[in-house]
Amino acid sequence: ETGVTQSPTHLIKTRGQQVTLRCSSQSGHNTVSWYQQALGQGPQFIFQYYREEENGRGNFPPRFSGLQFPNYSSELNVNALELDDSALYLCASSTPGGQQETQYFGPGTRLLVL
Amino acid sequence: DAKTTQPPSMDCAEGRAANLPCNHSTISGNEYVYWYRQIHSQGPQYIIHGLKNNETNEMASLIITEDRKSSTLILPHATLRDTAVYYCIVYFYGNNRLAFGKGNQVVVIP
Repeated sequence: ETGVTQSPTHLIKTRGQQVTLRCSSQSGHNTVSWYQQALGQGPQFIFQYYREEENGRGNFPPRFSGLQFPNYSSELNVNALELDDSALYLCASSTPGGQQETQYFGPGTRLLVL
Repeated sequence: DAKTTQPPSMDCAEGRAANLPCNHSTISGNEYVYWYRQIHSQGPQYIIHGLKNNETNEMASLIITEDRKSSTLILPHATLRDTAVYYCIVYFYGNNRLAFGKGNQVVVIP
């Protein structure tokens, strides 16, 4: 157990809808990173939030957006859902600075877009 | 980011040591070698990381060659619960992102 929690565990949406996924970081961690994992692939970096600001972004369109709250929890929002957005969405928490940057992952949210 | 190369799959015998190879020939001096594993449909689990010295923890040992161009993750006594996809990643502090490849599907056989 890493102490990183995600909700919901599973979600079914239809094309064009919007979805919000949530992540609570491990105690003492102030950084949250989000990843998308398509079936059979390794996780792909979406973005990272540190001190409530986006701190790096992968190759994902603007309809993927995020927030981080003062308690360091985070949300991933995806607008105008497409079929290819079906994936396991993972969040990881860490703290900047040397060894503490090790990222610890939550269990993920499985999103199915129909 | 430096790239890593791992075999796509391998089998290991239960109770024996499992040696998982990783090549990272373009690794830079400030990049660490990280290992994660992912059991089916769960989040990746951190295993171990190192810079140039060999490292050991309760889960595994990490052996990094002197030239740092390759490394081996050793699971000392493989169990069925070690069946997972293992990812070798090179990472430098401040990079903010882990670059996962497809990993090595390790199956522990009874």
